[in-house]
Amino acid sequence: ETGVTQTPRHLVMGMTNKKSLKCEQHLGHNAMYWYKQSAKKPLELMFVYSLEERVENNSVPSRFSPECPNSSHLFLHLHTLQPEDSALYLCASSLEEAGELFFGEGSRLTVL
Amino acid sequence: AQSVTQLDSQVPVFEEAPVELRCNYSSSVSVYLFWYVQYPNQGLQLLLKYLSGSTLVKGINGFEAEFNKSQTSFHLRKPSVHISDTAEYFCAVRRNQGGKLIFGQGTELSVKP
Repeated sequence: ETGVTQTPRHLVMGMTNKKSLKCEQHLGHNAMYWYKQSAKKPLELMFVYSLEERVENNSVPSRFSPECPNSSHLFLHLHTLQPEDSALYLCASSLEEAGELFFGEGSRLTVL
Repeated sequence: AQSVTQLDSQVPVFEEAPVELRCNYSSSVSVYLFWYVQYPNQGLQLLLKYLSGSTLVKGINGFEAEFNKSQTSFHLRKPSVHISDTAEYFCAVRRNQGGKLIFGQGTELSVKP
């Protein structure tokens, strides 16, 4: 079992669909993150959860809705997305004190 | 606030040649520094990190980096690269008192036979 697991690995959706990305960590960490990685752009931090509370929301549109039901699971709910939202969405986890992020393999999202 | 600049967006190099990927940071406080690697169609994997102590840090796959406080740099080096080192490399900085990890724009290393 890898440290951080993301599902699905690939997702194609229309602009009117509702879907969710799932992330699970088996490392005993207490912080979880969503990043967006678009072609030719730096990694964009979207959301941070620490001890299951959202501590950061970097001006992300409301069509992205995160959920952290416990310290091991993180979701990103998607609805009425735009084609420019097509990207690789990366989940990560960390122990706050260590500062090191462990990443999942990402969910490649294509919005038609 | 912290920031990270990776000075080269693309670095082509021949197999078995040495390589250096440059990273400069700015911060008014003490920081932790990281290098991550991203192979095609995968997430990011930690190569090495500097938290404190020796300024020369050794990582996985034969990579090393040197923390230079006076030049605010953390360049990544490998004496002899392999085809399998072809990937995107990201430098990152974080305050040692906590806070979010700030990534550079990435450097695409392309190793040719």
